[in-house]
Amino acid sequence: EVQLVQSGAEVKKPGESLKISCKGSGYSFTNYWIGWVRQMPGKGLEWMGIIYPGDSDTRYSPSFQGQVTISADKSISTANLQWSSLKASDTAMYYCARVTQARYCSGYSCLAGYFDLWGRGTLVAVSS
Amino acid sequence: EIVLTQSPATLSLSPGERTTLSCRASQSVSSYLAWYQQKPGQAPRLLIYDASNRATGIPARFSGSGSGTDFTLTISSLEPEDFAVYYCQQRYNWPTFGPGTKVGIK
Repeated sequence: EVQLVQSGAEVKKPGESLKISCKGSGYSFTNYWIGWVRQMPGKGLEWMGIIYPGDSDTRYSPSFQGQVTISADKSISTANLQWSSLKASDTAMYYCARVTQARYCSGYSCLAGYFDLWGRGTLVAVSS
Repeated sequence: EIVLTQSPATLSLSPGERTTLSCRASQSVSSYLAWYQQKPGQAPRLLIYDASNRATGIPARFSGSGSGTDFTLTISSLEPEDFAVYYCQQRYNWPTFGPGTKVGIK
């Protein structure tokens, strides 16, 4: 079965670090960009950034550049999203998703596409 | 940043009705627009890509049209499972999503 399986929900305190993961299976993980999407409580969707597991080429949306780190370990078909110091405003559901129709666009380091396969999401709650 | 505006914000409809959702971009995105469906507690699902192409497994009652700055998603006859939030997303530049249209049951 083609799927993305995300790690479980996390409850953290402000200032703590965190890494969540997304494991792909049923397809060639190294041949597709994988992205992360934030959905804050009761809100819409935000594109955070994407990574190509084949060579770890990573592109961040300008809004998230410097706020998070995206990485991948192709040997275990896993992409990761991490924070070095969480804030209460990081409380959200985080989805990983596979990118289709990827294209280079005009912004700095811009690469865009659509998401055709989604994980179920990882809920991150940050509270003191 | 390309801003996507969706209208209406909410709709109340009955099964079997036809509905059209709108997405407007702050600048031309050519045909680089997708539509997603999200049900409560679930991840979004890709319905339409590049304005008018149905994604794999999407029923024919879903159709998309438009180019440039104005796009529509039409559901020809609402099924009970279609009541959800619908988002548009552009890939012309750094991807952005619209705020969503909630299609609720009347």
